[in-house]
Amino acid sequence: DGGITQSPKYLFRKEGQNVTLSCEQNLNHDAMYWYRQDPGQGLRLIYYSQIVNDFQKGDIAEGYSVSREKKESFPLTVTSAQKNPTAFYLCASSNLRGYSYEQYFGPGTRLTVT
Amino acid sequence: GEDVEQSLFLSVREGDSSVINCTYTDSSSTYLYWYKQEPGAGLQLLTYIFSNMDMKQDQRLTVLLNKKDKHLSLRIADTQTGDSAIYFCAERAISNFGNEKLTFGTGTRLTIIP
Repeated sequence: DGGITQSPKYLFRKEGQNVTLSCEQNLNHDAMYWYRQDPGQGLRLIYYSQIVNDFQKGDIAEGYSVSREKKESFPLTVTSAQKNPTAFYLCASSNLRGYSYEQYFGPGTRLTVT
Repeated sequence: GEDVEQSLFLSVREGDSSVINCTYTDSSSTYLYWYKQEPGAGLQLLTYIFSNMDMKQDQRLTVLLNKKDKHLSLRIADTQTGDSAIYFCAERAISNFGNEKLTFGTGTRLTIIP
């Protein structure tokens, strides 16, 4: 089945530790995205990538880092510099060769930092 | 910049129609989307509308677009308990880097009253 997988579904970390969230897609999509979701605030874009080995900051990139070494994979690292990392993180991908550019989402990872 | 606004909550009796509203500010939007998010899950694309259309119908879903007022609505006919979810509208715009970017609203939590 084609789709986007994120792992793990739940992640717990101690304050001061870096943590990496996984995102993999087998849809052959060019673009991939990371969003953060907080209650009552909708989705905010952290980073996005439209091609391998290239990525751009979104609206709230501070305290996060990404890499795009393979088309299928776009891992997100939440660093200790992120002041409020507890949130629900969503990965998405889209086909830039289409015309409607709809984004397909993974099931999300809920990160809790204590 | 882009801004997309929605009411946070809507309650509807089972069998009635639900109407979820959204306003946006970017007049250069080309596509507008409705996504559905069930508890603890990612977002699922429900439907989208191109900006030169004013209506799109897909089974129980009707999307209305008033481009002059920058107002988008999603009507769900014969609302069922399975429609309970958070509904996000999103607009497609061009970012400062010339790339496609989606801006999401805060989401409307739809609750069905038996």
